[in-house]
Amino acid sequence: GAVVSQHPSWVICKSGTSVKIECRSLDFQATTMFWYRQFPKQSLMLMATSNEGSKATYEQGVEKDKFLINHASLTLSTLTVTSAHPEDSSFYICSASGLASYNEQFFGPGTRLTVL
Amino acid sequence: GENVEQHPSTLSVQEGDSAVIKCTYSDSASNYFPWYKQELGKRPQLIIDIRSNVGEKKDQRIAVTLNKTAKHFSLHITETQPEDSAVYFCAATNFGNEKLTFGTGTRLTIIP
Repeated sequence: GAVVSQHPSWVICKSGTSVKIECRSLDFQATTMFWYRQFPKQSLMLMATSNEGSKATYEQGVEKDKFLINHASLTLSTLTVTSAHPEDSSFYICSASGLASYNEQFFGPGTRLTVL
Repeated sequence: GENVEQHPSTLSVQEGDSAVIKCTYSDSASNYFPWYKQELGKRPQLIIDIRSNVGEKKDQRIAVTLNKTAKHFSLHITETQPEDSAVYFCAATNFGNEKLTFGTGTRLTIIP
């Protein structure tokens, strides 16, 4: 299967700072990338969908000015959590799909964000 | 939008017995239904999927059935083993949309 990486795997930051998470498709061109958030013992909740070269589409209730998404190339998307607060602490997972994957989504390993 | 319900939320079965997890979906346009296994702190792993043009698919000990009329699909795991213990998520999507809507998850515990 296709490989998707995420960096960092975990991050601890102070309240009020910004954190950038990278999602890369290593062996295929990802026309679409998805960003999910997963709180403990809960399901994955889609935050936004991004297509290469265009603005991300955010799900209802997700603040686009707080969660900045950039999908500048077919192999890289970034999620920046701006002015992070403790309630933003969560497991952030990206996934990627491409034309060759018949819309199957390949998930990254996730990033655990802890905001102090 | 799509809404996916999943039951049960927790399931404990004796090793060697079968486990069944059920999901229902609301959008009749959904046509792709994957199942994921997620271990603690890890990424979801696709274990089996089914498209709307088939009613059943099997891969060794794992099978999925789909009833389009009733809008429900189920995961069946036979001859369960301790390593099957994990959280399982169902999901649904319309290929044209690509967005996956996940169920709430089932924590499966296999009792040795």
